[in-house]
Order: sequence, then C-alpha cells, then structure tokens
Amino acid sequence: QQQVKQSPQSLIVQKGGISIINCAYENTAFDYFPWYQQFPGKGPALLIAIRPDVSEKKEGRFTISFNKSAKQFSLHIMDSQPGDSATYFCAASYPLSNDYKLSFGAGTTVTVRA
Amino acid sequence: KAGVTQTPRYLIKTRGQQVTLSCSPISGHRSVSWYQQTPGQGLQFLFEYFSETQRNKGNFPGRFSGRQFSNSRSEMNVSTLELGDSALYLCASSYRDRGPNEQYFGPGTRLTVT
Repeated sequence: QQQVKQSPQSLIVQKGGISIINCAYENTAFDYFPWYQQFPGKGPALLIAIRPDVSEKKEGRFTISFNKSAKQFSLHIMDSQPGDSATYFCAASYPLSNDYKLSFGAGTTVTVRA
Repeated sequence: KAGVTQTPRYLIKTRGQQVTLSCSPISGHRSVSWYQQTPGQGLQFLFEYFSETQRNKGNFPGRFSGRQFSNSRSEMNVSTLELGDSALYLCASSYRDRGPNEQYFGPGTRLTVT
C-alpha cells in the first residue's frame, strides 16, 4: 500500500501564484523527506529535502513545511513560473538495517498558466 | 560530472520474452536502485544494490532480478514478460554510506510489452 499519500493529483496555477502540494505519512520511522521534480521524458530530479528535526526549509522559490506531530509535509512553490510545470513527487525513507529505501507519493502534476 | 545513464532508452518486446536493462551510476556512487514507474502505480521500488550485493528488495515477483558489477554498473532483467510490465524503468544512484538517501535518477528505459 502507498506509505506516503500525496494530494492533489493535479493543480493549475497562474503565473506568479503559489502552488501547494501536501503529503502525509503514517510510519514514524521515516526520517528523510525529499521532493522530486519530473519533466516529461526525464527521470525525477531531487529538488529539496528535509529532516524531521526542522520545521521548514527554503531553497529559492521552493519551501518545504514539515509538521512532525501531524505527520504531514508540504511543498510550496512561490511565484510559480511556466518552467515549473512538471510532476512533483514527495517521498520518505527510513533506515532499515542500514539500508534506505524511498517510498514515493503518487505525484502531483502542476501546470502554470502564463 | 556525468549523470546516471541508462540504456536502451526505448524497448519494445513481446509477451513471454525476456529483457535486460543497463544502468551506469554517477562516478563514485556505489549504490544503485531500480524503480518501476507506471501511471497507475506511480514509482515502485524494485531493488537496490551496493558493492555488488542486493541489500534491499521491493514486492515484485521473482521474474524481476538484477545484479551489480565491480565498477558499480547495474543491470536488471525481467523474464517471461507480461503486458503489465510495460513501464518506465528508472535507475538511481547514490553514495549510500550513511545519512539521507540522496538519490539521483537516470532518464529511464521505456519498456513496451506487446
């Protein structure tokens, strides 16, 4: 079953607007939460990642907010640009006998209208 | 530094055949993970290899297998292909000694089974 639940499935935002994607998880052993961006015909690319001891991390126009008690984290894309149109995946991993395996959300397709 | 490369990029096979996909990780990366991406199931973890040893395995049937060579290059094999095996197969590499699992993905191999 999906260990990380992601919503919405798709969203459309105007240029300059804010895109917000939410993810929720159940396994409290997860300790690393990356976001990946995927363009058509390409593999996912690591965008930004956060650990549970931090509530927020910002890199340029991309911000992760993390709520450990609610077991939720979200990606905010500020000042959305047409070039941000892509599919975004949240993921989570945890140490399992020193092995790390990524569990992905189902993905959100973001379309930024000019 | 060159990224993760995967060959071939596209493949068409017939049901019942077998297929071998290849992945060359980023130089210095010793861990290689394989994922299957489909519209219905999203990104599903297949297995991970580190120093020529399979260290983690997802919930896929035994028809899916892999190996890693001493230069960290990896291959995955699917025997007795089924229509449902049509997918984008992604390879990801990382240092994977300790800490967060920063995986870097290749462009994928698009497999179509007819």
